[in-house]
Amino acid sequence: KQEVTQIPAALSVPEGENLVLNCSFTDSAIYNLQWFRQDPGKGLTSLLLIQSSQREQTSGRLNASLDKSSGRSTLYIAASQPGDSATYLCAPLGAGGTSYGKLTFGQGTILTVHP
Amino acid sequence: GAGVSQSPSNKVTEKGKDVELRCDPISGHTALYWYRQRLGQGLEFLIYFQGNSAPDKSGLPSDRFSAERTGESVSTLTIQRTQQEDSAVYLCASSLVPSYQGNTIYFGEGSWLTVV
Repeated sequence: KQEVTQIPAALSVPEGENLVLNCSFTDSAIYNLQWFRQDPGKGLTSLLLIQSSQREQTSGRLNASLDKSSGRSTLYIAASQPGDSATYLCAPLGAGGTSYGKLTFGQGTILTVHP
Repeated sequence: GAGVSQSPSNKVTEKGKDVELRCDPISGHTALYWYRQRLGQGLEFLIYFQGNSAPDKSGLPSDRFSAERTGESVSTLTIQRTQQEDSAVYLCASSLVPSYQGNTIYFGEGSWLTVV
């Protein structure tokens, strides 16, 4: 069964810092991995999707890396802004066993960027 | 529609009553998913539809939970004889093709259910 751990659980930083959010997963049999943000009282917004064959994906100030064999993904946020404050979730898509076809979510990293 | 739409956005119900939650996926999306998020917890997978059939319903927590999809579009999640532990936000998501083919999954804003 896939298990996903995100570190840190919470992060509070001043505006302008470059940030690193970590995600680890136990089952490397995945099709892809998706990063989402969730704002309070809202649904999830997809940020980046990395295919299992890819090492990296970039969108604006966001960059996500994937090391499938070691079960790790990292989300980098450059020049953080108060508007980046949200919960960030990573979710690998299972390619085998009981996790097949499902996104398994971590508990998330709660990010607060203060002015 | 422009995004995944869910209704009701909020529902308060008495213990023992039945509730229906509706999801309208993005037009043309063949795959549809239901997830549940209890307060302070992560997202739990409930059920996945490809077209109108459900190849994976392994996440439904008990036989009080059921879901259907019609016309390869709207889906309804039904909870019978609600209990307080059913209180959660129920999130629906859709993708253009089954997500294992690498397409982005888009989520609705959820239906917040409170059982009193």
